[in-house]
Amino acid sequence: SYELTQPPSVSVSPGQTVSITCSGDKLGDKYAYWYQQKPGQSPVLVIYQDTKRPSGIPERFSGSNSGNTATLTISGTQAMDEADYYCQAWDTSTVIFGGGTKLTVL
Amino acid sequence: EVQLVQSGAEVKKPGESLKISCKGSGYNFTKYWIGWVRQVPGKGLEWMGIIYPGDPDTRYSPSFQGQVSISAEKSISTAYLQWSSLKASDSAMYYCARIYMVATIRYFDYWGQGTLVTVSS
Repeated sequence: SYELTQPPSVSVSPGQTVSITCSGDKLGDKYAYWYQQKPGQSPVLVIYQDTKRPSGIPERFSGSNSGNTATLTISGTQAMDEADYYCQAWDTSTVIFGGGTKLTVL
Repeated sequence: EVQLVQSGAEVKKPGESLKISCKGSGYNFTKYWIGWVRQVPGKGLEWMGIIYPGDPDTRYSPSFQGQVSISAEKSISTAYLQWSSLKASDSAMYYCARIYMVATIRYFDYWGQGTLVTVSS
């Protein structure tokens, strides 16, 4: 079965840039999506179709997807960005989530 | 405004049955797939299945096939997730989410607030 692999945790200092990776076999041939989940809240879509930001998502969030890796990049990270981030893709009619990455803003 | 409102928290005993709901509003409920996602406390998101209320066509994750039942009543814009015999391992937060779908572009664009299910003797 298809799997997406994310690092369990990543840390960043406020104002710096951080990247969270998501790896899967030929992931670049699929669309990647990213969700942010803060404690006690439902997930929120932050990147869709590899690189696009939904309305209301700050410009500091960006995405890329090529080869076997999709990447979520947060530029000028703020304390409010501390959350769990999940990548997601489709394998035919099956939804695949990555294991999630806890972003800590130190 | 698109909203998905889920039913309230449940506390059940092992072996009991349960049906939780997800009511959509602010859009044509029959035109969008709805997905169900499980999250065990402290763990990640797990996809359970999806349903297209207009048909209703239903697809299940292999991990949940036969363990749960997904249904929908389009007349009241509500999707359901049902168990016939709960286990302690079913204790989790359950989310419903609407799926935006155009060709191969498919993503969860609106999420419910979650329903916490606790199964304990």
